This record gives sequence, C-alpha cells and structure tokens, in this order.
Amino acid sequence: DAGITQSPRYKITETGRQVTLMCHQTWSHSYMFWYRQDLGHGLRLIYYSAAADITDKGEVPDGYVVSRSKTENFPLTLESATRSQTSVYFCASRTGDGYTFGSGTRLTVV
Amino acid sequence: AQSVAQPEDQVNVAEGNPLTVKCTYSVSGNPYLFWYVQYPNRGLQFLLKYITGDNLVKGSYGFEAEFNKSQTSFHLKKPSALVSDSALYFCAVRDRGNRDDKIIFGKGTRLHILP
Repeated sequence: DAGITQSPRYKITETGRQVTLMCHQTWSHSYMFWYRQDLGHGLRLIYYSAAADITDKGEVPDGYVVSRSKTENFPLTLESATRSQTSVYFCASRTGDGYTFGSGTRLTVV
Repeated sequence: AQSVAQPEDQVNVAEGNPLTVKCTYSVSGNPYLFWYVQYPNRGLQFLLKYITGDNLVKGSYGFEAEFNKSQTSFHLKKPSALVSDSALYFCAVRDRGNRDDKIIFGKGTRLHILP
C-alpha cells in the first residue's frame, strides 16, 4: 500500500547523459504530475497527464520528455542532462479533490 | 493563468503563540485551494483544502485556513504553535474553470517555531 513510488531516491549523472526517473502509483488515478523543487522557486510543474497516452506541458517542460503507456506509470526522461536540471523531482497523482505526492528523487547533474 | 503568492520566505514564531502563514492567489474562475507541508527530506503532506462551503477550513495537526474571496487570500493559521510545526509550507491553487487538473504552487514559506 505504498501509494506513489518514485525511483531512484538519489541519482548522480553526468552532463549530456540521458536519465529516466520513474513514478508508479498503486491506484488507477487518471491524473499524474511531475514537479521540480528548487530553492527560491518552490514547486514548478514540468508535465502532467490526464490519462494513458495523454500528456501536456506544464510551466517548465524544456529538456524533459514524458510518456504514459500505462495508467500506473509516468516516467520522466531528461534526454541530455544539464547542470540546471539538478533538483528534487516529485511525482504526484490526483486523489479525489486532493493530490498525493511521492517521496521525491534528488538528482544531481555533474 | 492561475498563480499563487506566498509573500514571506520565512516566518518566525515563539512556541505557544498563534501563527499565520500568508497566501494570495489569482485565478480566472473559482479556486480550489490547498495547503501542504514538507518536512526535511520528505515529500509533501496534505494539510487542508478549500473546495466550497464554509470559508473556515480545518485540517490536520490543528491547522486551519480562511478563504477570503474579496481579498483572494487563503492564510494558514494555528492558535498555538509547536516546535514540531517547523517545516516548509506550500499554498497551492487549482482553477475550477480549467479543464486540466493541474495545481500551481507558491514558492513556499519556511516556518520556524522558536522554543
């Protein structure tokens, strides 16, 4: 009964490498979201998805790609990581009128 | 487009005193409003929400928030602060008029309760 699981918990990668952050929900919630958290910026929406195979851009989508082939999974890919993408990434799903968040992935790009 | 402002980066309150964390919002339609709390190295935890009805909303851990439509505010309050309330607090808004389901967060306010 984990709810939303994000993996990995921590990741260090090199500039230019591709990296994928995983998000899995144990429910069947339609809406899922990816946010990044940075000091001074709070949480900013990267991408969201209304259902399988339906995704849309948020506030800061550049440099990221998402897919949603299955309702329960919503991976976020950095196609060519940059230092500015060093951040903590949170996945969330909509639960009724509220939202449940995963524990986050701390990504460092060196 | 919806937006949220949390005007204070940090709020310091002595233990036992009342606390207020401010939030104002902007939406084109009617809002859903939320408060979340984040403890160090943790995800966001839901505190409370305003959907409709009574303007005073009660939530977890003794927190409450008052929806004020004329001032477009949704300040978080607690009558008596605890040291354990020290954390990062986020206000968030969803525009009911939008077909999408995204919520937008403020930048967060760090609450520091002094023993």
